[in-house]
Amino acid sequence: GENVEQHPSTLSVQEGDSAVIKCTYSDSASNYFPWYKQELGKGPQLIIDIRSNVGEKKDQRIAVTLNKTAKHFSLHITETQPEDSAVYFCAASIRGNTPLVFGKGTRLSVIA
Amino acid sequence: SQTIHQWPATLVQPVGSPLSLECTVEGTSNPNLYWYRQAAGRGLQLLFYSVGIGQISSEVPQNLSASRPQDRQFILSSKKLLLSDSGFYLCAWGPLRGLAGEQFFGPGTRLTVL
Repeated sequence: GENVEQHPSTLSVQEGDSAVIKCTYSDSASNYFPWYKQELGKGPQLIIDIRSNVGEKKDQRIAVTLNKTAKHFSLHITETQPEDSAVYFCAASIRGNTPLVFGKGTRLSVIA
Repeated sequence: SQTIHQWPATLVQPVGSPLSLECTVEGTSNPNLYWYRQAAGRGLQLLFYSVGIGQISSEVPQNLSASRPQDRQFILSSKKLLLSDSGFYLCAWGPLRGLAGEQFFGPGTRLTVL
């Protein structure tokens, strides 16, 4: 089955700097790659996603890139702010009725 | 728009007591439904998922069970709680005929077993 590896497990950046979180997946049939942000005590919130027919997607300060050949995808956050501090999860999915396979999460701390 | 509700928000139960957590989705039909557990500071463990009424797939053998009595209702149960059942329980939904894998999470239930 699919396996998703995520790194780093923790990341600290200064406010205003960029943060990058990377994930690799094992099944070349995976075609959907979402990213979730989880704040303390809350459910994960979908912040951005990308499908396998696209190489990059941007939404304001957040971008996701996908390299299908290497089977890895990354989350990029620019101009980080303290409210970006949270746990971020990547995931991958093969097809519609199969559950997402999640990475183990990255705890991002933005230091003011 | 679609919304997902979970209750209760927090729960403290003694070891050996029963459990019932409820999840409901509004604003959509025939959703895929999921139950996850998250231990403190850990990742998301898929417990059950359902693609239709009465259709439940179990991912992890344990003393928990799930039921889907109605299209947009998903219930997580236990007859006798263990200390190891403590955690943050998350329900999620996804469109049945959507593209691969979309899932949207509820606010979660914090369960403490004493």
